[in-house]
Amino acid sequence: QVQLQESGPGLVKPSGTLSLTCAVSGGSISSSNWWSWVRQPPGKGLEWIGEIYHSGSTNYNPSLKSRVTISVDKSKNQFSLKLSSVTAADTAVYYCARLRIAVAGRTGYYMDVWGKGTTVTVSS
Amino acid sequence: SSELTQDPAVSVALGQTVRITCQGDSLRSYYASWYQQKPGQAPVLVIYGKNNRPSGIPDRFSGSSSGNTASLTITGAQAEDEADYYCNSRDSSGNHLTVFGTGTKVTVL
Repeated sequence: QVQLQESGPGLVKPSGTLSLTCAVSGGSISSSNWWSWVRQPPGKGLEWIGEIYHSGSTNYNPSLKSRVTISVDKSKNQFSLKLSSVTAADTAVYYCARLRIAVAGRTGYYMDVWGKGTTVTVSS
Repeated sequence: SSELTQDPAVSVALGQTVRITCQGDSLRSYYASWYQQKPGQAPVLVIYGKNNRPSGIPDRFSGSSSGNTASLTITGAQAEDEADYYCNSRDSSGNHLTVFGTGTKVTVL
């Protein structure tokens, strides 16, 4: 079955760029799914960052849109997150997840596979 | 609207039934999905679509929806069900956004 694994630096300096990669195994990133990034600051709830389709189409959280870039590398079966101009408020556990769509009357979007998450701390 | 509101915390006696609700305008257009998250772990999908459970999720978990409210019901709560629960839905503004609920902490007494 599909598995996801996040990787990247655990410490980023303020004003720098956070860069993470999510490796997809057990399936193709070119399948008919969207691929998402979600984060969770310490002691807080889940926040959707954005998503990408294998074609390169993206959707971003408006609150982060000016700083976020999500890209896909089909040759490596992975997708990536870049968040620029980071501050302490960007300290969080970052998850990647597979987003699927179910249509039965109404439409339902759901994230059925998640990575274990990676902790990123923004500090000098 | 891009907000999904949940009660911060609920408690349930062992073996009893608890309902967790999620309110938001987008739920009139889209089904919610529900996630269980235990401390230090990644979220796990428990309900999606009209009322679907992924493989491995016990049948004591069920979902329903009415108007702008989605509900997750745990019938016969077990100690291992103590966790944070989040709802999730697509935003109904047409901007292709995803929104998470504020989360509910479920305590099993």
